[in-house]
Amino acid sequence: DTGVSQDPRHKITKRGQNVTFRCDPISEHNRLYWYRQTLGQGPEFLTYFQNEAQLEKSRLLSDRFSAERPKGSFSTLEIQRTEQGDSAMYLCASRLQGIQETQYFGPGTRLLVL
Amino acid sequence: AQSVTQLGSHVSVSEGALVLLRCNYSSSVPPYLFWYVQYPNQGLQLLLKYTTGATLVKGINGFEAEFKKSETSFHLTKPSAHMSDAAEYFCAVSERGRNFNKFYFGSGTKLNVKP
Repeated sequence: DTGVSQDPRHKITKRGQNVTFRCDPISEHNRLYWYRQTLGQGPEFLTYFQNEAQLEKSRLLSDRFSAERPKGSFSTLEIQRTEQGDSAMYLCASRLQGIQETQYFGPGTRLLVL
Repeated sequence: AQSVTQLGSHVSVSEGALVLLRCNYSSSVPPYLFWYVQYPNQGLQLLLKYTTGATLVKGINGFEAEFKKSETSFHLTKPSAHMSDAAEYFCAVSERGRNFNKFYFGSGTKLNVKP
């Protein structure tokens, strides 16, 4: 059990650029979650996957945000045409459905949009 | 939707003093309840959780929390603070049943421990 990993840990980009973040969940965890955390706030749910199926994405912040988990293992979160308001920490978590209720979080990717 | 309220965005205690971090939730049905800790520039680490059974739950690093249904609360305590406890603490809830997918987090409480 190597834990949830995220890459990159930090990303600085210019407004209007596209960015993509990767999350590798704990092996065999079938559920994967994305959250956004802005300064001084708790994490805010964005979307989640069960295996490769994206079961809820209504909380994705706009159509500039998209997420995939094509093979049911790692996931990517893409933000197109970034805006300064997208600056935040993006957290990934994973869980083994039916066995445990706990979501295990990765270290996060901190995005700064200039 | 659930909402979680953490009273006090900043709490300061002396080393060795009692730590009390407050969490209240809004739900007519008791949810699953969690406390996470976050150190600077790191992800969230689970401290403890309540799902069913005994309402007083013990976690790591000497923390414990008590679920009080009548008060819709899940306050976090530690009898004696240590310098290494300085961090930000988040209370989270999740609905039971088929909606158990996403967590709702409070806005966090930063704990400062004075020598």
